[in-house]
Amino acid sequence: DAKTTQPPSMDCAEGRAANLPCNHSTISGNEYVYWYRQIHSQGPQYIIHGLKNNETNEMASLIITEDRKSSTLILPHATLRDTAVYYCIVRTQGGSEKLVFGKGTKLTVNP
Amino acid sequence: DVKVTQSSRYLVKRTGEKVFLECVQDMDHENMFWYRQDPGLGLRLIYFSYDVKMKEKGDIPEGYSVSREKKERFSLILESASTNQTSMYLCASNPGWNSPLHFGNGTRLTVT
Repeated sequence: DAKTTQPPSMDCAEGRAANLPCNHSTISGNEYVYWYRQIHSQGPQYIIHGLKNNETNEMASLIITEDRKSSTLILPHATLRDTAVYYCIVRTQGGSEKLVFGKGTKLTVNP
Repeated sequence: DVKVTQSSRYLVKRTGEKVFLECVQDMDHENMFWYRQDPGLGLRLIYFSYDVKMKEKGDIPEGYSVSREKKERFSLILESASTNQTSMYLCASNPGWNSPLHFGNGTRLTVT
């Protein structure tokens, strides 16, 4: 079973920030939070990951709460091409690669 | 950029046929993976390989086998295809543990 909970769907206006929440209340101290997205008819694409500090790259920012029980992926200026299913995953450092993908959040960016 | 290439985007096979799904990565990654993706079930790991000729079972290996004779190529084999193996098959690779996975675009297999 997935160890994360995400809303099934969200909408966002083009040009606005998209904030995608994820709950991972049972996360362990050595588990990382990873985000992937899947655009229709393509394989999942890695976005960003973090352990406890906030992270930013050219695609997005990841905000992890101090207790690490939840996180938010931020797409600062959403475009129509960001319409996709976004998956939040917890992953053990040094553990197996049996990533458990939940159902994710379907983000629709509207013009 | 890392490229993971799956040989076919769409494949239609008959029940009982032997099916080969091929995957090639061009970044000298150590690890390669095969997942299947089904509606409502997410991605499930079938097999993975951490070195040439090495393989490990994932969560749903039954009915499948794999082959990794060269580092860049990882093949998924359906020995005798069945209708319940109709699915989207995704190959992925990464350079080592704790590195992000890079996925191919998938092969949609239909077994009739």
